[in-house]
Amino acid sequence: QVQLVQSGAEVKKPGSSVKVSCKASGGSFRRSAISWVRQAPGQGLEWMGDIIPTFGKTNAAQKFQGRVTITADESTTTVYMELSTLRSEDTAVYYCARGPLVVLGTTPHYYYMDVWGKGTTVTVSS
Amino acid sequence: DMQMTQSPSSLSASVGDRVTITCRASQNINSYLNWYQQKPEEAPKLLIFAVSTLQTGVPSRFSGSGSGTDFTLTISSLQPEDFATYYCQQSYSTSMWTFGQGTRVEIK
Repeated sequence: QVQLVQSGAEVKKPGSSVKVSCKASGGSFRRSAISWVRQAPGQGLEWMGDIIPTFGKTNAAQKFQGRVTITADESTTTVYMELSTLRSEDTAVYYCARGPLVVLGTTPHYYYMDVWGKGTTVTVSS
Repeated sequence: DMQMTQSPSSLSASVGDRVTITCRASQNINSYLNWYQQKPEEAPKLLIFAVSTLQTGVPSRFSGSGSGTDFTLTISSLQPEDFATYYCQQSYSTSMWTFGQGTRVEIK
């Protein structure tokens, strides 16, 4: 079973960037997609984007396009999410979550998130 | 954008009650609908995927149904550990996954 361990809490200034890591262990990283989901204080869940490391594919929700960069290091089975130009509204808990891959022909798909990290609190404050 | 609307936003129920939460998609999402449970200060947990398939280890009192745009999560007999917030999520649109706003289940 894959386990996801996220990096520690961050405090950032408005306008700066934050990079959160998510290390996968205990399962097949090559058969996984990793999504990033955030949750502002007292609010619901918001999907930000994902990466399929083995296929080198990334997606970002339209809201975050141009501001979020998701990368993966297969040698360390670690995925990174960098969010730039931070503002106070980006204060949230950021989760990484794994989805099991299904490959149809040569196209990878995944349809749900079955393992979640514990979350990383990012606080944006001047 | 695909919108997912859950109802109710919150409910109060007693242990042993049957609880039903609905989720409506703004467009047809076939069977690409998942349910998650989140307890305070914890990460979400997958309960059900593809409308009605229980994730391994999830008690059989949880069930899901629906298709197209209208979906339901049912808890047949509410247990103390079920008090939490529940989210539906569509995975129909690549790079446009969205969650419902959540339904908080509280103790009556």
